[in-house]
Amino acid sequence: GQNIDQPTEMTATEGAIVQINCTYQTSGFNGLFWYQQHAGEAPTFLSYNVLDGLEEKGRFSSFLSRSKGYSYLLLKELQMKDSASYLCAVEDSNYQLIWGAGTKLIIKP
Amino acid sequence: ETGVTQTPRHLVMGMTNKKSLKCEQHLGHNAMYWYKQSAKKPLELMFVYNFKEQTENNSVPSRFSPECPNSSHLFLHLHTLQPEDSALYLCASAASGGDYNEQFFGPGTRLTVL
Repeated sequence: GQNIDQPTEMTATEGAIVQINCTYQTSGFNGLFWYQQHAGEAPTFLSYNVLDGLEEKGRFSSFLSRSKGYSYLLLKELQMKDSASYLCAVEDSNYQLIWGAGTKLIIKP
Repeated sequence: ETGVTQTPRHLVMGMTNKKSLKCEQHLGHNAMYWYKQSAKKPLELMFVYNFKEQTENNSVPSRFSPECPNSSHLFLHLHTLQPEDSALYLCASAASGGDYNEQFFGPGTRLTVL
């Protein structure tokens, strides 16, 4: 079957760095997405990786290793507004997104 | 209005009621999706429409009935629902044929079935 695993919850301190991991087993691979979802709001797109390596976008970076079925989202200089759920999703061979359950990130002052 | 909008934002209904959820996108996209989001569970894809044609139906019970009259509007008709259908229902749209399938989500309808 298809499976996306990510931690349920993480806690970090304002100003620090946090890494959210995602491992996947899917029928084919056409790319990996990270979305951010604040409580009560719509998920919003953060990043897309299809080739191995690191994609940097401001304070957020996303890494992919296709051979390991592994990705992480790195958040630097954490701010209180980064408290949200972070969703990992993989596009399978049918171009459908398979979603993880999300990681709830709690930022403490 | 821009982006993806959904109405109503909150809905409480009894198991014998009939109601409809509405989604509208103002992004010129040609693919639209219905998802179910339950607490601490992955997003569940329910239906996909490409160019108004249904291309995916992930074994969704017949008490959920989608309708896509044009590329900008998507409905989810509900009837004789069960309490376990209580969840957040998210609509999304995407531009098919792009480099990657970035989906834009609406704010969702919080559904409670009594």
